[in-house]
Amino acid sequence: GAVVSQHPSWVICKSGTSVKIECRSLDFQATTMFWYRQFPKQSLMLMATSNEGSKATYEQGVEKDKFLINHASLTLSTLTVTSAHPEDSSFYICSAYGASTRNEQFFGPGTRLTVL
Amino acid sequence: QKEVEQDPGPLSVPEGAIVSLNCTYSNSAFQYFMWYRQYSRKGPELLMYTYSSGNKEDGRFTAQVDKSSKYISLFIRDSQPSDSATYLCAMRDNDYKLSFGAGTTVTVRA
Repeated sequence: GAVVSQHPSWVICKSGTSVKIECRSLDFQATTMFWYRQFPKQSLMLMATSNEGSKATYEQGVEKDKFLINHASLTLSTLTVTSAHPEDSSFYICSAYGASTRNEQFFGPGTRLTVL
Repeated sequence: QKEVEQDPGPLSVPEGAIVSLNCTYSNSAFQYFMWYRQYSRKGPELLMYTYSSGNKEDGRFTAQVDKSSKYISLFIRDSQPSDSATYLCAMRDNDYKLSFGAGTTVTVRA
């Protein structure tokens, strides 16, 4: 199957700082990437859809100025959590798909963010 | 009402038993149905993918979709301790955005 990586796998930061999470498709070109957030014992909640070369589309209730998404190439999307607060602590997961994945999503391993 | 309903369990079965998981949904536009397995602190891994109604078998796994009842199932035969994980159902229409169930935590006891 297609491989999606995320970096870092975990990060701890102080309240008020910004954190950048990378999502890479390693062996295919991802025309679209999705960013999800998952709280403990809960399901994945879609935050935004990112298409290469265009602005991300955010789900209702997700602050686009707080969660900055950049999809500058067909293999890389980044999520920047700006001015992070403890309530932003969560498991952030990206997924990606492209023509070679028959348009099915493959997920990254996730990034655990802890804001102190 | 949530768009996708899934009993979070937990579900505990002895090794070798059949694990039965299911989800119901309300959006009749959903046409693509998936089951993902997620181990603790890891990303979801695609297990089964089904288009429209019908059955699909892959090794010990069988996925069933009944669109008339808006009901999907996943069966795991001869369950193993390594099958212990959270199983998430997901579905979508042609829009590619997935709607997930809450996930069912399964423990297979040796």
